[in-house]
Amino acid sequence: LAKTTQPISMDSYEGQEVNITCSHNNIATNDYITWYQQFPSQGPRFIIQGYKTKVTNEVASLFIPADRKSSTLSLPRVSLSDTAVYYCLVSYNTDKLIFGTGTRLQVFP
Amino acid sequence: NAGVTQTPKFRVLKTGQSMTLLCAQDMNHEYMYWYRQDPGMGLRLIHYSVGEGTTAKGEVPDGYNVSRLKKQNFLLGLESAAPSQTSVYFCASSASRRPGETQYFGPGTRLLVL
Repeated sequence: LAKTTQPISMDSYEGQEVNITCSHNNIATNDYITWYQQFPSQGPRFIIQGYKTKVTNEVASLFIPADRKSSTLSLPRVSLSDTAVYYCLVSYNTDKLIFGTGTRLQVFP
Repeated sequence: NAGVTQTPKFRVLKTGQSMTLLCAQDMNHEYMYWYRQDPGMGLRLIHYSVGEGTTAKGEVPDGYNVSRLKKQNFLLGLESAAPSQTSVYFCASSASRRPGETQYFGPGTRLLVL
């Protein structure tokens, strides 16, 4: 059974790099990994997406090892405004969209 | 573009009452989704639609019905609300269903069933 697992919470300080890992067993060859950010009382918002190796955009990087059984969202130099819940979504090659349970990131000054 | 909007923002129901949640998108997206979000459980897919007039069950469809009469609207119905359906409901849309396609989410509807 497909399952996506993330740490429940993480703490960091402003200016530090934060790495959030998502474990996803049974990921299929054609499945993608997508990360979303959610602020209180808002819907999730797309951050980054990848299939393998490394993807970088203006806000984050996504590292996916060769076996693709996990992925790591990297937020460089976080600020207070990065305090949010982060979800990984694995688009399995079925009709299931499996979100992780979310990682609550708290950034301190 | 308003993106994805949801109506209402908040609602209180008594057990056994019915209601319909409305989702609207102005991005001409083919695919629309309804999720529920509960503490510690992330987002779980209730139903989804791959186009006007078509719907399909997601991970937790029991107790809910949906309709997609118009491409831009996706309705979620609760025929007989139960306390277990107290949750925050999110609608989303995407241009296609290909793996990795970005989903755009609405602001959510908070539902309390007493």
